[in-house]
Amino acid sequence: GESVGLHLPTLSVQEGDNSIINCAYSNSASDYFIWYKQESGKGPQFIIDIRSNMDKRQGQRVTVLLNKTVKHLSLQIAATQPGDSAVYFCADKLWGGSYIPTFGRGTSLIVHP
Amino acid sequence: SAVISQKPSRDICQRGTSLTIQCQVDSQVTMMFWYRQQPGQSLTLIATANQGSEATYESGFVIDKFPISRPNLTFSTLTVSNMSPEDSSIYLCSVGQTEAFFGQGTRLTVV
Repeated sequence: GESVGLHLPTLSVQEGDNSIINCAYSNSASDYFIWYKQESGKGPQFIIDIRSNMDKRQGQRVTVLLNKTVKHLSLQIAATQPGDSAVYFCADKLWGGSYIPTFGRGTSLIVHP
Repeated sequence: SAVISQKPSRDICQRGTSLTIQCQVDSQVTMMFWYRQQPGQSLTLIATANQGSEATYESGFVIDKFPISRPNLTFSTLTVSNMSPEDSSIYLCSVGQTEAFFGQGTRLTVV
């Protein structure tokens, strides 16, 4: 499959700040996008997803924005907490298909108290 | 959702030996996926394991190196054979194709 890349490998923020993690995808056919959080020593955990018929989706303290024109995805974390420190991966795939998600490289978020 | 138990959680192995990683799911699933995550890298799919048929391997991965078993709909094993230091990685099993659920991973160090 085509690759999904992330712009920044490491992001350091202060506790309480808002964090923005970016992702660029290359497969213009992808219509489903997922963000995962991977804490040290654990497997990736689903955070939030968005389908291509939406530009924005909000969860608890997290918002995902999708710009299909430039094939860009971002994850915004409000009031970042030390527990948010982890590696964040985006993934893209075709909704409902048998295709396996393609994972990006990952961004390490470090939250300083 | 699915709960996935993977073991061992970590191991240190001598080069040339083999390690079998087990993955148990709390529900029946058609497909199980095995990933490798090299240090500081993202997840790379090794193979898809279907019950009752041979696993489907991705480019760069072969059955002789990574034999997979899928004896029933809740269990799978991945063996890393004839290990070298380059096999040092985290190995993850996963289920689900829309929302993927992962085990906690097996951190393998080959010395």
